[in-house]
Amino acid sequence: KQEVTQIPAALSVPEGENLVLNCSFTDSAIYNLQWFRQDPGKGLTSLLLIQSSQREQTSGRLNASLDKSSGRSTLYIAASQPGDSATYLCAVRFIGNEKLTFGTGTRLTIIP
Amino acid sequence: DAGVIQSPRHEVTEMGQEVTLRCKPISGHNSLFWYRQTMMRGLELLIYFNNNVPIDDSGMPEDRFSAKMPNASFSTLKIQPSEPRDSAVYFCASSLGTSPTDTQYFGPGTRLTVL
Repeated sequence: KQEVTQIPAALSVPEGENLVLNCSFTDSAIYNLQWFRQDPGKGLTSLLLIQSSQREQTSGRLNASLDKSSGRSTLYIAASQPGDSATYLCAVRFIGNEKLTFGTGTRLTIIP
Repeated sequence: DAGVIQSPRHEVTEMGQEVTLRCKPISGHNSLFWYRQTMMRGLELLIYFNNNVPIDDSGMPEDRFSAKMPNASFSTLKIQPSEPRDSAVYFCASSLGTSPTDTQYFGPGTRLTVL
């Protein structure tokens, strides 16, 4: 079964620290992996999309890595800010499936 | 662009009533997705359309749920009759197509409460 897991479910970090969010998936045959941000009461905003042929993608203070063989991705946030507080979801597009399979997310709180 | 538009943003109804959720995708996008988000099950795909045609409705929980896309700029998700276990946030998303490189853009969601 194709599944996506995110651990931990919640994380609190002091402002200014660097942090890493984790995502794991059960099948290495993927088209791509995407990281989303969800603010309370809002929809999802796409942060980074990594194609299966790529190892990482960067956008500002965010860096996402992909290791297909181990079924893992990480989202690195540098110099965290209170505005980074949100739920971060990882989603995988498995080969043979046009759907996105989502993890349950990590709720991140940055403490001022 | 206004992004994906959903209405209503909040809906409270009583068990047994019919509920209709609406979505307007981003202009020019050919694919539209309906998701449901709950604490227990996370984000689940219910159905998606490509060029107004339903492609995969295997995520629709049961016959009480139906979705239509009469034209490229409008879709509805209907629940009849509604039950308390349908309470969730329902998201609509659109993308240019279903290619692996196409990013999905999400609407703000409709929070449904069935009493």
